[in-house]
Amino acid sequence: NAGVMQNPRHLVRRRGQEARLRCSPMKGHSHVYWYRQLPEEGLKFMVYLQKENIIDESGMPKERFSAEFPKEGPSILRIQQVVRGDSAAYFCASSPRSEPYEQYFGPGTRLTVT
Amino acid sequence: AQRVTQPEKLLSVFKGAPVELKCNYSYSGSPELFWYVQYSRQRLQLLLRHISRESIKGFTADLNKGETSFHLKKPFAQEEDSAMYYCALSSGSARQLTFGSGTQLTVLP
Repeated sequence: NAGVMQNPRHLVRRRGQEARLRCSPMKGHSHVYWYRQLPEEGLKFMVYLQKENIIDESGMPKERFSAEFPKEGPSILRIQQVVRGDSAAYFCASSPRSEPYEQYFGPGTRLTVT
Repeated sequence: AQRVTQPEKLLSVFKGAPVELKCNYSYSGSPELFWYVQYSRQRLQLLLRHISRESIKGFTADLNKGETSFHLKKPFAQEEDSAMYYCALSSGSARQLTFGSGTQLTVLP
């Protein structure tokens, strides 16, 4: 089991461009979570998804951010019209249905907006 | 609103000394508490959770509801324990984790 995969590991975007971050959960996991970590801070919850459903997006900024977890393929976190303040590390985690609190984390994507 | 506080950003101890990483939380209900660890160049991983009451790599943590604390302890620190440690809370039916800002532990030889 390769664990949670995230790509790209590093992403550089200019202000106004779009950023797409991908997350493949562990095999057999159907729950995906996205967290954001700003410098010197802990991870902050953004969104929780199951296949084809957004369950909890209470941590997502209201504008420019969206997430999906399609029936086939990885979960995608999409940030439109990026701004400098979006520069952060974005982590994805997955959990099995049976153990919702055991979240396994990916290596993260470090987004830099120039 | 729930919150997790880790008052120490940095903590250094000598090898063989006891170590305690502090974690305090605020939440009105019955939380689930966790410790996650991130070793250098590795991904964040679950170290232990309070309901399992087990000792992992010599670490233990006891939930003290009166003091709303979940401090992580180890009687004899090892150099390989050097890492970033995050305390986290999950509340009720919500599956999201609320993390503290982390404590960087350095165990000196």
